[in-house]
Amino acid sequence: RKEVEQDPGPFNVPEGATVAFNCTYSNSASQSFFWYRQDCRKEPKLLMSVYSSGNEDGRFTAQLNRASQYISLLIRDSKLSDSATYLCVVNGENAGNMLTFGGGTRLMVKP
Amino acid sequence: EADIYQTPRYLVIGTGKKITLECSQTMGHDKMYWYQQDPGMELHLIHYSYGVNSTEKGDLSSESTVSRIRTEHFPLTLESARPSHTSQYLCASSFSYEQYFGPGTRLTVT
Repeated sequence: RKEVEQDPGPFNVPEGATVAFNCTYSNSASQSFFWYRQDCRKEPKLLMSVYSSGNEDGRFTAQLNRASQYISLLIRDSKLSDSATYLCVVNGENAGNMLTFGGGTRLMVKP
Repeated sequence: EADIYQTPRYLVIGTGKKITLECSQTMGHDKMYWYQQDPGMELHLIHYSYGVNSTEKGDLSSESTVSRIRTEHFPLTLESARPSHTSQYLCASSFSYEQYFGPGTRLTVT
């Protein structure tokens, strides 16, 4: 079983739609959670951290469910520019307690 | 915006050549990382460093080597490039858990 699992998609949605991605993680001791965005052939960029109480940044809302070990990302009012791959990231079971990246969920927003 | 730089951005080189991919950051981060990523595939950690004179191998076995003589600099070297080394190499740095990535080096070995 992978440490961080995501539905690879693609999720094809029209502009203005609301879309949600989930991610599950295996390490119950994980303490740090993030969503990164990666555009095609570019480097990953930090989108937002995920806090226990949930957090919102404009059209983006992240939630953490420790009991079920999953993280979600909600995007409201999708824009064409939101088309990208969204990476779920958790500090993992590896040596050094470093970040483990999920395989990503691809989002395509259509006009 | 993160201040982390990689050179070259693109490199096409013949089999058997020695190459060094450069990575520098100006944020004073102690931790630095190298990842390998093929198109449309997952990121794989190949090396990391917690500070000067500290280097460790990552989850994915790699024939490359790294050094960390200065805080801001974390070069990756391939002694003898092979076509199987063709990939994108991404460098990152962090103060705590949040990692900031450079733009990557796209390597093609012919």
